[in-house]
Amino acid sequence: GQQLNQSPQSMFIQEGEDVSMNCTSSSIFNTWLWYKQDPGEGPVLLIALYKAGELTSNGRLTAQFGITRKDSFLNISASIPSDVGIYFCAGQPYTGANSKLTFGKGITLSVRP
Amino acid sequence: DAGITQSPRYKITETGRQVTLMCHQTWSHSYMFWYRQDLGHGLRLIYYSAAADITDKGEVPDGYVVSRSKTENFPLTLESATRSQTSVYFCASSDWSMNTEAFFGQGTRLTVV
Repeated sequence: GQQLNQSPQSMFIQEGEDVSMNCTSSSIFNTWLWYKQDPGEGPVLLIALYKAGELTSNGRLTAQFGITRKDSFLNISASIPSDVGIYFCAGQPYTGANSKLTFGKGITLSVRP
Repeated sequence: DAGITQSPRYKITETGRQVTLMCHQTWSHSYMFWYRQDLGHGLRLIYYSAAADITDKGEVPDGYVVSRSKTENFPLTLESATRSQTSVYFCASSDWSMNTEAFFGQGTRLTVV
């Protein structure tokens, strides 16, 4: 089945730094979503992307739908301690009733004060 | 409060016992999902439901049973719990079709001893 690749598994940055993470696939996706999971909580949707090339921002977060439809990128600018968590990408291969979301394994972000 | 709630938040059960995890949403979303989250595997889909009385298997359905007699509820039952079913379980819902964003509950941490 489809797989989404996120690497590395963990990232460590200094407060105030920008960080970029990407999500890649060998197959085409029609929708890309980015979620953040805080410890002990469920994933929360950050950004949804529906068109190839689309660039969408949510505060300090910016995500892009890759033009090949096989990747997506998330950028966090001026990181703060509350950015700590696991960031998941998710993709849907096509629009339709049986098109299920596939999730990447997530990247754990640590922010040093 | 509107949203999606799971109960219990924590559960310890013995091998061989039946256990049911509850999920309730107040948005009248048509789609509901059950995922399990394990280290190294990310989020994996167990079962999903497109509407009341319509359910289908996901990636890892073995050992689980679901039902959806009402739109707002989607319980997950482990008929005879095994240690390999120790995990964090997340319920999620989404509107009209599976190409819109899925919203997650806070999770149930299940330990099978």
